[in-house]
Amino acid sequence: SQTIHQWPATLVQPVGSPLSLECTVEGTSNPNLYWYRQAAGRGLQLLFYSVGIGQISSEVPQNLSASRPQDRQFILSSKKLLLSDSGFYLCAWSPPDHEQYFGPGTRLTVT
Amino acid sequence: GENVEQHPSTLSVQEGDSAVIKCTYSDSASNYFPWYKQELGKRPQLIIDIRSNVGEKKDQRIAVTLNKTAKHFSLHITETQPEDSAVYFCAPRETSYDKVIFGPGTSLSVIP
Repeated sequence: SQTIHQWPATLVQPVGSPLSLECTVEGTSNPNLYWYRQAAGRGLQLLFYSVGIGQISSEVPQNLSASRPQDRQFILSSKKLLLSDSGFYLCAWSPPDHEQYFGPGTRLTVT
Repeated sequence: GENVEQHPSTLSVQEGDSAVIKCTYSDSASNYFPWYKQELGKRPQLIIDIRSNVGEKKDQRIAVTLNKTAKHFSLHITETQPEDSAVYFCAPRETSYDKVIFGPGTSLSVIP
């Protein structure tokens, strides 16, 4: 069966510090991968998605970036965090034309 | 791109009553219509979905109905229970598109 992992589970970082969140999927190959951000009490904002290694589509500009160095690994990064980057970061995967499966999420607080 | 709306944004019902949440979308090519449930502090999970060749689908107390002409689909929960309290999201899309956009969510509260 397929499993999706995210780490860390929680993170507290100062403004201006870098960020690296990692997501890995097991038990499948060539999944579509997604990063979403959810502010407190709000909806799911699509940040990036990827249909293959090295293929990244960005929905959000500014100070976030994503990479897919391996088929089942998706990384979200920032060089300098902003206060507005606080939120719940969710990684998801899906096979073609099916539902999405979400990871447990990373709760990021920027102070 | 797909524009997705949900109504209402918040819904409060008495335990045992029914709840209905509507999702409207703009892309007439959409052919996959899922509903996700997110409990507080947890990840969203699929609860029911429907494809465009079907008008209605039911799974115990949960059902989804689709009106492709009007470009909306609805989530129906009957005999609501306190554990149904959560935020519900729709995410309609055309399945050859890789981009997935979620609706803004509907917060459902079931009062015991």
